Amino acid sequence: EVQLVESGGGVVQPGGSLRLSCAASGFTFDDYAMHWVRQAPGKGLEWVSLISADGGSTYYADSVKGRFTISRDNSKNSLYLKMNSLRNDDTALYNCVKVTRIAALYDAFHIWGQGTMVTVSS
Amino acid sequence: SYELTQPPSVSVSPGQTASITCSGDKLGDKYACWYQQKPGQSPVLVIHQDSKRPSGIPERFSGSNSGNTATLTISGTQAMDEADYYCQAWDSSTGVFGTGTKVTVL
Repeated sequence: EVQLVESGGGVVQPGGSLRLSCAASGFTFDDYAMHWVRQAPGKGLEWVSLISADGGSTYYADSVKGRFTISRDNSKNSLYLKMNSLRNDDTALYNCVKVTRIAALYDAFHIWGQGTMVTVSS
Repeated sequence: SYELTQPPSVSVSPGQTASITCSGDKLGDKYACWYQQKPGQSPVLVIHQDSKRPSGIPERFSGSNSGNTATLTISGTQAMDEADYYCQAWDSSTGVFGTGTKVTVL
């Protein structure tokens, strides 16, 4: 069974940092690009970042560019999101997502984790 | 930046057909996907590449995409289809979600 389990969320003050992790299982992790998608409480979905299967290419939403860094460790089947300079409007549930097709970057979001909550508040 | 616009809400009677639109500039030149999200749950992919259904998605879900509009159609709507639905596409290496539509089965 394909599974994605996020961790690392919590409460942080504005300007602070957090590192999210996503443990993947049930599929060949290094065959697939991976994404982070977030959802603020009561709001819609927002794509955050993308990393290619080999980790060589990364892309970010304008709202997080320069503050967030996506990475992966294929030897550990793990995806990460380092978040710096956090703002109140970064408060959201952060989901790790696997795409549908091997090696495709700009693809549909097929498998979602349950998410980890990040709350930015003083 | 690229935007995808959906109606805030759609109401449908059980057994009838619900159509949800997603509008964006030249959306038909891109692939559109659709996600279903029930309260407290993660989204579920119901349509990808405009009209393809992932394994396990009922045949009553179908999709189309042409011009500036993508459409998700739910035929023979069931009470279990009540949920929020989001369209999504890619533009200039950026993932874009639609504004979301709440489908109510009356």
